[in-house]
Formats: sequence, C-alpha cells, structure tokens
Amino acid sequence: SYELTQPPSVSVSPGQTASITCSGDKLGNKYACWYQQKPGQSPVLVIYQDTKRPSGIPERFSGSNSGNTATLTISGTQAMDEADYYCQAWDSNTACVFGTGTKVTVL
Amino acid sequence: EVQLVESGGGLVQPGGSLRLSCAASGFTFSSYWMHWVRQAPGKGLVWVSRINSDGSSTIYADSVKGRFTISRDDAKNTLYLQMNSLRAEDTAVYYCARGSVAGPGWFDPWGQGTLVTVSS
Repeated sequence: SYELTQPPSVSVSPGQTASITCSGDKLGNKYACWYQQKPGQSPVLVIYQDTKRPSGIPERFSGSNSGNTATLTISGTQAMDEADYYCQAWDSNTACVFGTGTKVTVL
Repeated sequence: EVQLVESGGGLVQPGGSLRLSCAASGFTFSSYWMHWVRQAPGKGLVWVSRINSDGSSTIYADSVKGRFTISRDDAKNTLYLQMNSLRAEDTAVYYCARGSVAGPGWFDPWGQGTLVTVSS
C-alpha cells in the first residue's frame, strides 16, 4: 500500500522559516495537500493541489511538490502556527493516504 | 457559512453497531463527494470512506471494508456511516469532511468530530 512519510517533529524560532517534508513514491505525479491540526481541534486545509492556498490561509504558508517529495513551507513562523501538520494524497484515485504527521514547535 | 456537524458517537461493546450522522449546511450538499476520516487517540489521521455526489459509488479503507457502509440522504443534507462488527481498534474520533465536486481531491471543511469508543 502507498505510504507518505513525514518527520515526527520540526522546531523553528519565531520569525524563521519552517519546512515540513512529505515523502512518497513518485509523489510529484500526484496532487498533494496539507492540513493543520491544533490540539483539540479539527484539521484545517492550508494547501491544496500542491501549491494553492484556500481563502483565509495566510500567505506565509506555501507548498511545492516534485519527484518523491512534497514540502510545506511556513515563512515568518508565528506562535499560532504551532500545530500538527499532515500531508495527503490519493493512490490510484481509490485510496486516500495521509502522512504520518509532523509536530511543529515554535521555540 | 459552510458547516458540518457529526453526531451518533458513543460507547459500544466489541461486535456492536453504531450509526454516525453528519448534517451539512451552507452549501449544495448534493453536488459534493463526501468522506469520513478517523483519528485514534493520540494518533494520526486515517481516511475511512468516500461517497460520490449521487451516491452511486463508494470506496472504503481495507481496515473497514465489509463492516462499514457510507451513505447519504440529499433530501436531508446528511451523510451517514453505518459501523457494524466494531472492534477495539475502531476507537477514534470520526470526522466527516467535504470533498470535491468530482474526483479525488482535498477535504474542506471538516466537522468537529464525534468520538466512538469500542470497549467492554
């Protein structure tokens, strides 16, 4: 079965850039999206179709996807960005796969 | 405002059944594919099932195939998940999420979730 692997944790200082990777076989041939989940809350879509931001998501969130890796980048990270982040893609359009999740800590 | 509200969770014994509901509002429910996603306590997100916009096509994760059934009632703007032969490993918060208008895509928005606990 298809798998998406993320680093368990990423630490970043306020105002710096955080990069979260998502690795999967030929992931660049699929669309990737990203969700943010804060403790006790439901997930929120922050990036879809590799690079697009939904309405209301700050410009500091951006995405890319090429080869075997999709990346979520948070520029000028703020304390409010501290959360778990999950990537997601579809395998053969019949099975949705989520990444293992990354906890972002803003130190 | 687009809103999804789940209900129907609770405590059930192993081997038991439960039906979850997801009431949708603020958008044309009948136009969208809909999904169920679950999250075990302290764990990551796991996709469970999807139904297309007219209800003619459904797919399931291998872990629930043959035990869970997704359905929709467009007249009531409601999505359902019938869960039978429940196991301890089905314990999770279950979220409904709006998908795309056609084909696989992203999930936006998500409901607040309903907790299902399978235990004797």
